[in-house]
Amino acid sequence: GAVVSQHPSWVICKSGTSVKIECRSLDFQATTMFWYRQFPKQSLMLMATSNEGSKATYEQGVEKDKFLINHASLTLSTLTVTSAHPEDSSFYICSALRQGYYNEQFFGPGTRLTVL
Amino acid sequence: GENVEQHPSTLSVQEGDSAVIKCTYSDSASNYFPWYKQELGKGPQLIIDIRSNVGEKKDQRIAVTLNKTAKHFSLHITETQPEDSAVYFCAASIKAAGNKLTFGGGTRVLVKP
Repeated sequence: GAVVSQHPSWVICKSGTSVKIECRSLDFQATTMFWYRQFPKQSLMLMATSNEGSKATYEQGVEKDKFLINHASLTLSTLTVTSAHPEDSSFYICSALRQGYYNEQFFGPGTRLTVL
Repeated sequence: GENVEQHPSTLSVQEGDSAVIKCTYSDSASNYFPWYKQELGKGPQLIIDIRSNVGEKKDQRIAVTLNKTAKHFSLHITETQPEDSAVYFCAASIKAAGNKLTFGGGTRVLVKP
């Protein structure tokens, strides 16, 4: 399978600060990446679709000014959680779409965010 | 929008036995059905997938079946091993609708040695 990396793997920050999470597709180009959020013992919830060279598309109920997404290149998308609060603490996971017959999504290892 | 239901939520099997997880979907336009395995603290790993023009696909101990008419698909794991213990997610997507995945609620599988 294809390789997708995320950085950092975990981060602890104070309330009110901003945190940036990077998602990279290491061995293929991805014009489309996705950002998910996962709470303990729950399924993945899609937050937004990141498109290279254009604005991200956010799912209903996700604040675009709170979760800033930038898809700067065909291998890198970033998610910035602005003015983080304790309720933003979660496991954030990105995926990259490898286009082809199947259009498979490959996931990164996730980033554990804890806001104090 | 698409809705995916997954059952059971937990599954405990003896090593060597088979495990079956079932999912149903609501949108008949869905045409891609991947299965992911997620270990604790890690991202989901794609283990097998199937498209709507195929009824069954097998990869070693893992197989997936798809019934388009009934709108359900299943994951079959044979000869289970302790390392198969994880949470498994089914998902559905529509290629023409941006490839967004709708996930089932997950199945926690425990393989007892």
